[in-house]
Amino acid sequence: RKEVEQDPGPFNVPEGATVAFNCTYSNSASQSFFWYRQDCRKEPKLLMSVYSSGNEDGRFTAQLNRASQYISLLIRDSKLSDSATYLCVVTRGGYKYIFGTGTRLKVLA
Amino acid sequence: NAGVTQTPKFQVLKTGQSMTLQCAQDMNHEYMSWYRQDPGMGLRLIHYSVGAGITDQGEVPNGYNVSRSTTEDFPLRLLSAAPSQTSVYFCASRPRGAANTGELFFGEGSRLTVL
Repeated sequence: RKEVEQDPGPFNVPEGATVAFNCTYSNSASQSFFWYRQDCRKEPKLLMSVYSSGNEDGRFTAQLNRASQYISLLIRDSKLSDSATYLCVVTRGGYKYIFGTGTRLKVLA
Repeated sequence: NAGVTQTPKFQVLKTGQSMTLQCAQDMNHEYMSWYRQDPGMGLRLIHYSVGAGITDQGEVPNGYNVSRSTTEDFPLRLLSAAPSQTSVYFCASRPRGAANTGELFFGEGSRLTVL
């Protein structure tokens, strides 16, 4: 079983839709949590950090549930430019970043 | 505004050949790391370094060597390439104290094919 699990998708949604991605992690010693975005054949880039209190950045909302070891990302009012792969990431020991395999999103016109 | 620079971007090797993937960053980041990305596997940590002279193994270190003689450079060496090492390799760095902010700065990747 992978330490960080994500539904690979693809999620095909129309422009303007709301879409949610989930991620689970198995190691309760995981310390920090993030969502990264990766465009096709490009490097990953940080989208946002994830906190238990939840955090929002424009159309993006992320939430962490430590008790259930579950992380979510909600995208509202999807844009064509949101099409990408979204990577769930947890850290251990401050230096080891564990990446999920990613969830592919395609926003359709 | 270079950031993290990886060379080469593309390389084809024959089984048994050796090569070095170069990674350099100009942000004075103490933490540097190497990942490989394979379909269906996600990014997996190969080796990382928290400063000059300090390196440690990640999840998939076998077949790879690293060294860190300067803050700027973190080369990844394949001593005897195998087809299983065909992958996309990413180098990433961040400031030492940024564990909770999490932003890893990635290079553009190096695509390696081993025949």
